[in-house]
Amino acid sequence: GAGVSQTPSNKVTEKGKYVELRCDPISGHTALYWYRQSLGQGPEFLIYFQGTGAADDSGLPNDRFFAVRPEGSVSTLKIQRTERGDSAVYLCASSGGLAGTNEQFFGPGTRLTVL
Amino acid sequence: AQSVTQLGSHVSVSEGALVLLRCNYSSSVPPYLFWYVQYPNQGLQLLLKYTSAATLVKGINGFEAEFKKSETSFHLTKPSAHMSDAAEYFCAVSKAAGNKLTFGGGTRVLVKP
Repeated sequence: GAGVSQTPSNKVTEKGKYVELRCDPISGHTALYWYRQSLGQGPEFLIYFQGTGAADDSGLPNDRFFAVRPEGSVSTLKIQRTERGDSAVYLCASSGGLAGTNEQFFGPGTRLTVL
Repeated sequence: AQSVTQLGSHVSVSEGALVLLRCNYSSSVPPYLFWYVQYPNQGLQLLLKYTSAATLVKGINGFEAEFKKSETSFHLTKPSAHMSDAAEYFCAVSKAAGNKLTFGGGTRVLVKP
């Protein structure tokens, strides 16, 4: 596609439920990033993939959060036993190549609301 | 650890006036610095980036920023504000190309007619 896409655009769930958020990066981009943006704050890094492997998962807040990218393209962020504090906009970005400035291109985000 | 501080969560400017958004960073290594803009219900869009080349960086939509190592600053300016500049602006830093971004808290710009 022309840009990074994320589905769903909005997700409402109940406390304790499991959710999956999907990211389709720009075709050919090898790097993929997940960020979380809480209301009134800047985005916070969660995890970064280079190809299929997680190169840096230092931003995942706890073991309820997990992300995969099995074929080096689409990625899924998985949240188990959701809590109200997980409510935020989850942003995905992708970038291409292994050298250069590697600009990150962002998707529109998935707004997650945990009731 | 890296960090970014944006002074002022809200800025109000008159149309045609100077826009100045402040960003200070801390980094243990020479940083890569970025300014992103976020329009309502849209993704982040890169305005400009500093990657150790020229210290004065020109971006899209008439914005520019100057890297000042001695002040650890990367302030964003635009000489004449336009109504379409109303948005939220984020400063970000990374340690290397392709590395994760650390964002500031953002500055929301309101442009008055």
